[in-house]
Formats: sequence, C-alpha cells, structure tokens
Amino acid sequence: SQTIHQWPATLVQPVGSPLSLECTVEGTSNPNLYWYRQAAGRGLQLLFYSVGIGQISSEVPQNLSASRPQDRQFILSSKKLLLSDSGFYLCAWSGQGDGYTFGSGTRLTVV
Amino acid sequence: AQSVTQLDSHVSVSEGTPVLLRCNYSSSYSPSLFWYVQHPNKGLQLLLKYTSAATLVKGINGFEAEFKKSETSFHLTKPSAHMSDAAEYFCVVRPVASGTYKYIFGTGTRLKVLA
Repeated sequence: SQTIHQWPATLVQPVGSPLSLECTVEGTSNPNLYWYRQAAGRGLQLLFYSVGIGQISSEVPQNLSASRPQDRQFILSSKKLLLSDSGFYLCAWSGQGDGYTFGSGTRLTVV
Repeated sequence: AQSVTQLDSHVSVSEGTPVLLRCNYSSSYSPSLFWYVQHPNKGLQLLLKYTSAATLVKGINGFEAEFKKSETSFHLTKPSAHMSDAAEYFCVVRPVASGTYKYIFGTGTRLKVLA
C-alpha cells in the first residue's frame, strides 16, 4: 500500500535561518507531488507541484523553493526564513484522479 | 473557471443530531469531487469521493454525500454527530480537463459538536 512520510512534525526556526522539509512516498511510482501551506485561519494554499523528477511548478511568488531529486522525494526549502513563512505545511501525492493523499504535516514557527 | 464554495465557515451541532455541511461547485465539465477532514495539527484525510459513478457516495465514519448536478452541489451529511467528528472539513473539486493536476479546495467548514 502507498504511504507518505513527512518530517519533521514541528519546527521552530529563527528569522533568516535556512529551511528544509522533506517528503517521501512509498508504494507508488511517478506520483504527482504537492506542497501546500495552511496559515492560521486561512485555507490551503498550493505552493508547488511536480509531475516528475526535476519538474517543479511554482504557484505563488515567495521565499520558498522546491526540488524533486528522486521520483518519490519532494523537498521544500528556503535560504532565509521570514516571519510570514510560519504555518502548517502539508505534502501530498496523487495518482490519476483518485484524490490526494496527505502527509501528517509540519508546523513551522519562525521566531 | 472551476471553483468550489463552502457555504458555512462554522457549523455547530449537538451530539446525536444530524450534520449537514454544504458545498457548491462550478465546473464546465463533469468534475470529480471529494470531501476531506482535518483534525487539529493533522494532515487531511479523505472521507469520500465522487467520480461520476453513483451519485450517492458513502464514506468513512458514517458520512455520505450526494452529487446533484442540477443544483451543482455536493453536500456532506451524517445522521448522528459524534464528539470525534469535531474537525475542519474541506470540499475539493478536481477539474476534469487534460493536464490538470491542481485540485481546487474550498475554504473549509469547522464543525463543532456540543455535548
């Protein structure tokens, strides 16, 4: 069966520090991968999606970047965090029309 | 353009009473529709999905939803609320168009269950 792993679960980082969040999927090949952010009191915002290795589409201009070095690995990064980067980050994968499967999320607090 | 509207940002029900969470969609094509649930500080979990088969879809935890094309609605219901149902619920549409990978999320409905 397919599983998705996302870590860490919580993270507190100072302003200006770098960020790396990792997501891996097991039990499937060539998944579509997504990074979403959920800010307090707001809905889900799609940040990046990827349909294959090295193929990244950015949905909003921001301080973040994403990479897909392997088929089932998706990384969210920042060189210098801002206070506004705080939020709940969710990784997800999808196949062909069956809906998303979400990771358990990372709560990022930038202080 | 496709869109999804969740008509209520907050819903409160008493334990044991029915739940109705409303969702309307707009789509030029016959869409795939989903309901997800999110408990605090957790990822989203799929409750049920509609993909052009039966219009009444049964999901996990006693939830069901009915696809009504004439009303462009996909409301989520449950006959009897349980305390563990307190969470945020998202209606999601997957536009059925070539090359579309981006699902469209509603803004969410927070369900409160009163003892």
